[in-house]
Amino acid sequence: QSVLTQPPSVSAAPGQKVTISCSGSSSNIGNNYVSWYQQLPGTAPKLLIYESNIRPSGIPDRFSGSKSGTSATLGITGLQTGDEADYYCGTWDSSLSVGVFGGGTKVTVL
Amino acid sequence: QVQLQESGPGLVKPSQTLSLTCTVSGGPMSTGSLYWSWIRQPAGKGLEWIGRIYTSGSTNYNPSLKSRVTISVDTSKNQFSLRLSSVTAADTAVYYCAKVRAAAAVDYWGQGTLVTVSS
Repeated sequence: QSVLTQPPSVSAAPGQKVTISCSGSSSNIGNNYVSWYQQLPGTAPKLLIYESNIRPSGIPDRFSGSKSGTSATLGITGLQTGDEADYYCGTWDSSLSVGVFGGGTKVTVL
Repeated sequence: QVQLQESGPGLVKPSQTLSLTCTVSGGPMSTGSLYWSWIRQPAGKGLEWIGRIYTSGSTNYNPSLKSRVTISVDTSKNQFSLRLSSVTAADTAVYYCAKVRAAAAVDYWGQGTLVTVSS
């Protein structure tokens, strides 16, 4: 059971938009920045968003992040077949004193 | 560009100790206020933080693993290490070493190494 809650899967047609939610509590998302990761099959995760809404260099602006209260959201616009992957949210949990992740969301491009 | 590479046995017997080393290249580990972490992922499952270490040597461990985990750092070799004792089949996973910026954002990952616990 993950500390952060994500939907198991989302899907949309090419060119459409998907959003992935990440729900936590005051000890994690509520008082810390959120990061988002993309994991393609057989590879290590890749940082997409940090500090809740900042894209590292090289990440296209089709990916966006936001946070409100104890929840965060990753948005992907202009969906491409190459976006099919598992997506994870993560943050620091101040009560546990450790990083925590969501259970992951599989994005399918129909 | 920071690069990380895990090394260590791919097979560990139950009740023994899993030991992995992460070698960091692309610059000295001690530059800046940096954290270094171990994260694991069982096959078909999600990511799990094991713990992190500052270059000063202070650590934070996952409470569920704390009694069995030790993370150490050797900045002279640009390496940090993981030891997980009394392993069981539940510890079988891909183990990643990682560089972490503030708020637990992992900006660099190793390629991962599969460790199987089996007799």
